[in-house]
Amino acid sequence: NAGVTQTPKFQVLKTGQSMTLQCAQDMNHEYMSWYRQDPGMGLRLIHYSVGAGITDQGEVPNGYNVSRSTTEDFPLRLLSAAPSQTSVYFCASSSGGYNSPLHFGNGTRLTVT
Amino acid sequence: GQQLNQSPQSMFIQEGEDVSMNCTSSSIFNTWLWYKQDPGEGPVLLIALYKAGELTSNGRLTAQFGITRKDSFLNISASIPSDVGIYFCAGQLDRNDMRFGAGTRLTVKP
Repeated sequence: NAGVTQTPKFQVLKTGQSMTLQCAQDMNHEYMSWYRQDPGMGLRLIHYSVGAGITDQGEVPNGYNVSRSTTEDFPLRLLSAAPSQTSVYFCASSSGGYNSPLHFGNGTRLTVT
Repeated sequence: GQQLNQSPQSMFIQEGEDVSMNCTSSSIFNTWLWYKQDPGEGPVLLIALYKAGELTSNGRLTAQFGITRKDSFLNISASIPSDVGIYFCAGQLDRNDMRFGAGTRLTVKP
């Protein structure tokens, strides 16, 4: 039972480079989301999706794009990486029912130099 | 966006001691959740609280949903070394609106 799988686990980028963080879940969850975790700030919502073909912005969406072409996958794209995007990124999913808790992946640690 | 006020930021305790941490907010929430994060891993749900005043236990963990819906606490009794980690509270209005505290880093000395 894989749950939420994120790849890669670590990534180093130069300023201006682009990359995609992958997230896949095998629980048939409708809801998926991306958070970033910075020291002393808890987790902040970047983007979320309530189902295939539907995405929306969270609290800190600037500099990131997402798409949801399938129920299972929810990639996060950085089009032009900046040092301020150095962070740990977590993907999460839930069944979408009322008050259904989030299940998190193990994170991607991104460093932008 | 508004974050929750979680305290304390860190705790250093002796094995066997009890632990208490709490979260407060100026906003009300419909659900309070407590997560634990081990190094190199994502947060894992410990306890979910769905009703004001609710008191729920999960083994040595006990959490309460405050009557005002603006706060919650988590207690850990008889701490053991594997309790080490970062504990996060989260307040949720609905699945699209969940706010996290900054975390409490727990260290347990054997």
